[in-house]
Formats: sequence, C-alpha cells, structure tokens
Amino acid sequence: DADVTQTPRNRITKTGKRIMLECSQTKGHDRMYWYRQDPGLGLRLIYYSFDVKDINKGEISDGYSVSRQAQAKFSLSLESAIPNQTALYFCATSDPRLVPETQYFGPGTRLLVL
Amino acid sequence: GESVGLHLPTLSVQEGDNSIINCAYSNSASDYFIWYKQESGKGPQFIIDIRSNMDKRQGQRVTVLLNKTVKHLSLQIAATQPGDSAVYFCAERLGAAGNKLTFGGGTRVLVKP
Repeated sequence: DADVTQTPRNRITKTGKRIMLECSQTKGHDRMYWYRQDPGLGLRLIYYSFDVKDINKGEISDGYSVSRQAQAKFSLSLESAIPNQTALYFCATSDPRLVPETQYFGPGTRLLVL
Repeated sequence: GESVGLHLPTLSVQEGDNSIINCAYSNSASDYFIWYKQESGKGPQFIIDIRSNMDKRQGQRVTVLLNKTVKHLSLQIAATQPGDSAVYFCAERLGAAGNKLTFGGGTRVLVKP
C-alpha cells in the first residue's frame, strides 16, 4: 500500500551494529505497529503505538526499541543486531473508527544480519 | 493462550476450481477475524473480515465462515484465478486488547493453469 512506506526496503548489516528501520504513513491513522515475519510463521508483533505519546511492547520486543516521532512516523531500532533478527519487517497502521477495522501494511523491509 | 494456526501450509488448486483455506483459533474471547492475502514482495492486504456475532460473510468471489463452537475459520475462494496465487493469513483480535492482531502461520495457494 503506497500510503504506508518503509525505508530501506532491503538492508544487510553485521552483528553488533545499530540499525534503524523507518515507517511513514499518509493515512492520518493514529495507530501504528511493527511486526516481523519469519519463514513459515505468521507476523509477530514487536511494538505498537496508539498515538504519539503511547508506546507498547508486543510479544517479541526484546532486542528492539521504537520511536514515534510524529503521528505519521514510527521507527524501529535494533540496538545491537544479531543474526536471529534476520527477518522481514512490516509496519502497519490502523484507525479504530474505520470499517473494516483492518490494519494497513507497508511493503516490508528485508533485513539480513551477518 | 492466544494462537491462530492453519491446517495446510500449501494448497494447489486448478484454475477455475474453488479453494478452501482453513484456520483454527484458540481464544474464544476473540471478537473479530480478518483474512489477509500476501503476494510475493508485498505486505499483507485485507481480503475480508467477520465479527464473532456472525457465522458467514461474503465478498466478491470470497466467503468467510466462522464456527465458534469448534473455533474454526475458513476462507473460500470461488473460481480461483492465477492472480489468487499468494500466501493467505488469518488473524484474530482479542477485543479487550484493542486492535492487536494475532496471525496464523499462513497457507500458500498455488493456482495451476
């Protein structure tokens, strides 16, 4: 969905490096999410934010941090990357006032940690 | 705990036939369910949703069935087309948890010409 963009689309990094994945949206949604996807597994929630002043841990937040700089921007950081953080990362947005109450996903960032 | 799972990891279907993708969920308190389609290189896209107070909902060529008694969800695709080839995920929402979704592992649908 072009309304939710992620940068970079692909990233290769080394163990121990700090990296940041960025997400921007033009949908005007208050709620934003970060997921990771591993082969054969569904999306797992890392962090979510229901508005600019709200940050919540998801089911797999260890090793990650986030920053909600503005309504439209939600960044995910890996403070010290490790190989098992190699995955596909998705950002999503939602608005609970909308029908359907779905989440809208970005195109994903493919991360490889060597 | 909350979990959503799929019975078949890969489904091969002849073009023009109907496809049925199944999903089991474990949390009886989940109030909302969504099916997503994910094409290669893209993020998941919404297909159809259903609330827990319904047992069937139809869209364009797709139907979702919900059986709360056995905690089972299915997605039926009528007259499957090559463009339907993708990975399909079901997701459930636990009402008290806001808009947090729990996703199943996904089923890959391969449409044979």
